[in-house]
Amino acid sequence: EPEVTQTPSHQVTQMGQEVILRCVPISNHLYFYWYRQILGQKVEFLVSFYNNEISEKSEIFDDQFSVERPDGSNFTLKIRSTKLEDSAMYFCASRHYPNRVTEAFFGQGTRLTVV
Amino acid sequence: RKEVEQDPGPFNVPEGATVAFNCTYSNSASQSFFWYRQDCRKEPKLLMSVYSSGNEDGRFTAQLNRASQYISLLIRDSKLSDSATYLCVVVLSNDYKLSFGAGTTVTVRA
Repeated sequence: EPEVTQTPSHQVTQMGQEVILRCVPISNHLYFYWYRQILGQKVEFLVSFYNNEISEKSEIFDDQFSVERPDGSNFTLKIRSTKLEDSAMYFCASRHYPNRVTEAFFGQGTRLTVV
Repeated sequence: RKEVEQDPGPFNVPEGATVAFNCTYSNSASQSFFWYRQDCRKEPKLLMSVYSSGNEDGRFTAQLNRASQYISLLIRDSKLSDSATYLCVVVLSNDYKLSFGAGTTVTVRA
C-alpha cells in the first residue's frame, strides 16, 4: 500500500539552528500539507501546497518557515532558526487531488526536539 | 469560537460497550467531514468519511447534522483495540485545509 514517508523520525537540534524535515508524498498525489502537534495538544495546520506553490498558510507559518518541492518526489519543511517552542511532532500529508471529499494520508511524523 | 470542538473525554468503557461522542464545527459552509484515529504519538489515520446521509463501517457509525453543525461517532461492541484518540476533521468549501478537533480519548478496559 502506498504511504507517505518522512525522514528523519527524530531530530534533535540546538536553538537557533536550521532544520529541514523531509517528506515523500504518495506518488500520484497532488496536494501536500505540513501539520504539527505539540505534545498533548491538537494537530495544527501549518501550510498547504499545490501546483508548486503555497495554497494556504496558518499564523504559525511565519517567516522562519518555508516549504519546497525540490524535485518530483520530495516535499520539505525548513525552519530557519529554531526556537524551543518549535519542539513538536511534524506530520506531512498528501491528497490525491484537492477534491474536498478526498481524505489525506499522513506520514509517521518527525519528532523535532529543540534544546 | 473554535473551528472544530470535541469533548476531550476520556471515555472509559468496558469491552462490549457502546460509546458515542460528538464534534461541533463553527463554519456552516463546511463541506467534508472525517473521523481520524490517532494512537499515542503516532500519525492520524483515517477511520471513516462522514456522509450527509450517515454511514456505517462495521462497528462504527458516523452521522452528520448540518442544521446543528455537528457530527457524531458511535462505536458498538467496543474492543480493547479501539482505545485511541478520535479526531474530528472538517474541510471548508473554499479551501482544502483539514481542520482538526483536539480529539476525544476512548479507553476500552477488559
